[in-house]
Amino acid sequence: DQQVKQNSPSLSVQEGRISILNCDYTNSMFDYFLWYKKYPAEGPTFLISISSIKDKNEDGRFTVFLNKSAKHLSLHIVPSQPGDSAVYFCAASPVTTDSWGKLQFGAGTQVVVTP
Amino acid sequence: NAGVTQTPKFRVLKTGQSMTLLCAQDMNHEYMYWYRQDPGMGLRLIHYSVGEGTTAKGEVPDGYNVSRLKKQNFLLGLESAAPSQTSVYFCASTKGRLNEQFFGPGTRLTVL
Repeated sequence: DQQVKQNSPSLSVQEGRISILNCDYTNSMFDYFLWYKKYPAEGPTFLISISSIKDKNEDGRFTVFLNKSAKHLSLHIVPSQPGDSAVYFCAASPVTTDSWGKLQFGAGTQVVVTP
Repeated sequence: NAGVTQTPKFRVLKTGQSMTLLCAQDMNHEYMYWYRQDPGMGLRLIHYSVGEGTTAKGEVPDGYNVSRLKKQNFLLGLESAAPSQTSVYFCASTKGRLNEQFFGPGTRLTVL
């Protein structure tokens, strides 16, 4: 039972335009959300996170929005650059005391930035 | 700082063989994790550890064992490899629940 879903397996965007990646979750106990970026043959690298007490977090070109009532978050990349071409994973962690930082990952979205 | 390192990077096993994957971190993190990634799927948690000498099962623990004898190392063992264990394995560590996990470069394992 997949509790974190990324319904778009791929996204193609022109350089300089905005990339919008979406993520939906079903578990209302999730209170901490992260986005990771992954290049081929490398491990995922942390991009940005948001806790459930916020609805927006920005870091440079990256902004994450959280809509708790809809159980939906999105990652905006503005402007998109060729180096942003990678797989992006959404991940979530529950608030329970025994969660121990365990993450549930979505299946990922492959982003291709074209010139 | 090397961060999180994994050994080996690649391995091919025959069905029934055993092997151990080594993960090492130099960030003094308490929590460590082993994940597997399969095509079309996100990372799935195999086992994790919240401190030296402790281990616990994750989402897909069957066929794997782990040990955390030293804080900086987390070992993943396959006692009798099966083709279904063909995957890319990632180790991660973090200092706490509300901190990002740092990942190693991965081990690509093929079981024939």
